[in-house]
Amino acid sequence: ELKVEQNPLFLSMQEGKNYTIYCNYSTTSDRLYWYRQDPGKSLESLFVLLSNGAVKQEGRLMASLDTKARLSTLHITAAVHDLSATYFCAVGSGATNKLIFGTGTLLAVQP
Amino acid sequence: NAGVMQNPRHLVRRRGQEARLRCSPVKGHSHVYWYRQLPEEGLKFMVYLQKENIIDESGMPKERFSAEFPKEGPSILRIQQVVRGDSAAYFCASSPGTGGSGANVLTFGAGSRLTVL
Repeated sequence: ELKVEQNPLFLSMQEGKNYTIYCNYSTTSDRLYWYRQDPGKSLESLFVLLSNGAVKQEGRLMASLDTKARLSTLHITAAVHDLSATYFCAVGSGATNKLIFGTGTLLAVQP
Repeated sequence: NAGVMQNPRHLVRRRGQEARLRCSPVKGHSHVYWYRQLPEEGLKFMVYLQKENIIDESGMPKERFSAEFPKEGPSILRIQQVVRGDSAAYFCASSPGTGGSGANVLTFGAGSRLTVL
């Protein structure tokens, strides 16, 4: 059974600092997704990573994938308050591509 | 493109009543997924449907829960005889399909928040 673990579960950052969220998964997959969720809202797709070594960047966020280590990272550069949200990684499972989600990382950026 | 539309956004039921949650996928999407999110937790897969077919229901509780995606109309998640533990946010997502080498990104709706009194 595919399991997805994220850490940390909670991250309090100061504006301007850098940090990384880690996502480990237990079985082989070639599809890794990052989503953002604001309180009481739906999930917004941030990145899709489809191959080993894939790196994608959007603004202050950069995601990477190492399929051999079964690890993805979401790096935050020079955090700003608007990035405060819960970030989920999700791994595609099987031919149906049902997504198995990590537990989420609640990011709070303090001024 | 209106995206994934879910209704109702909020639903309150008493124990023993039935809850029906509706999901209209993105226009042109033929694949629908339902997820449940308990407070302070991640999303748990429930069921994956294509038009008129349940493809994967491995995450659905064996009793009281059912889902359908008819040829015409929205997908329905039905919960019979609700209990307090059913209180959660239920998210629907749609995608264009799993074929080819595409990313098959799931587009999520805003969710339906069920409260069981």
